[in-house]
Amino acid sequence: NAGVMQNPRHLVRRRGQEARLRCSPMKGHSHVYWYRQLPEEGLKFMVYLQKENIIDESGMPKERFSAEFPKEGPSILRIQQVVRGDSAAYFCASSPRIDPQYFGPGTRLTVL
Amino acid sequence: SQQGEEDPQALSIQEGENATMNCSYKTSINNLQWYRQNSGRGLVHLILIRSNEREKHSGRLRVTLDTSKKSSSLLITASRAADTASYFCATDDGGSNYKLTFGKGTLLTVNP
Repeated sequence: NAGVMQNPRHLVRRRGQEARLRCSPMKGHSHVYWYRQLPEEGLKFMVYLQKENIIDESGMPKERFSAEFPKEGPSILRIQQVVRGDSAAYFCASSPRIDPQYFGPGTRLTVL
Repeated sequence: SQQGEEDPQALSIQEGENATMNCSYKTSINNLQWYRQNSGRGLVHLILIRSNEREKHSGRLRVTLDTSKKSSSLLITASRAADTASYFCATDDGGSNYKLTFGKGTLLTVNP
């Protein structure tokens, strides 16, 4: 059973471009979560999704950020018009029920 | 202090010694989880302890939880160089089980 998959592992974008981060949950897991880790910080919750539903997006910035978990395919975290402050590691986690959460290897976003 | 704050911030020991890390939190919780993160990598789930449990073991790991003091400890016995990593505790907010809050972690270095 493969773990949580994230791609790309590293992503470089220039200011103003769009970043798309993908997450494939573990087989059998229907709950997906996104977290952001800024340098020297702990992970911060962004959003919790189930298939085709956003359950809690209270940790998402109000603008430029969106997430989806379609019926088919991976979950996508989309950041429009990226700025330097968006540079961080973005982690996806999945779970079969609410806990525990199993994390992917992360996508490290660098905004130039 | 923030929810899920670990101490010490850094710990350096010799191989074979025991390592103890502590975590304090502020609000009521349902569960507390410990994760390990190797440098630049994803998080590995180590152990989950529920609020009605006081102690839990997994291999060389022992976790305690004192809800009256709002604190937890992670003990790694007979440490190995491969245990070198950052260790994070993650707590929920007592309402939802899914919105995890992480501290900044304890950086453990095990010297061969």
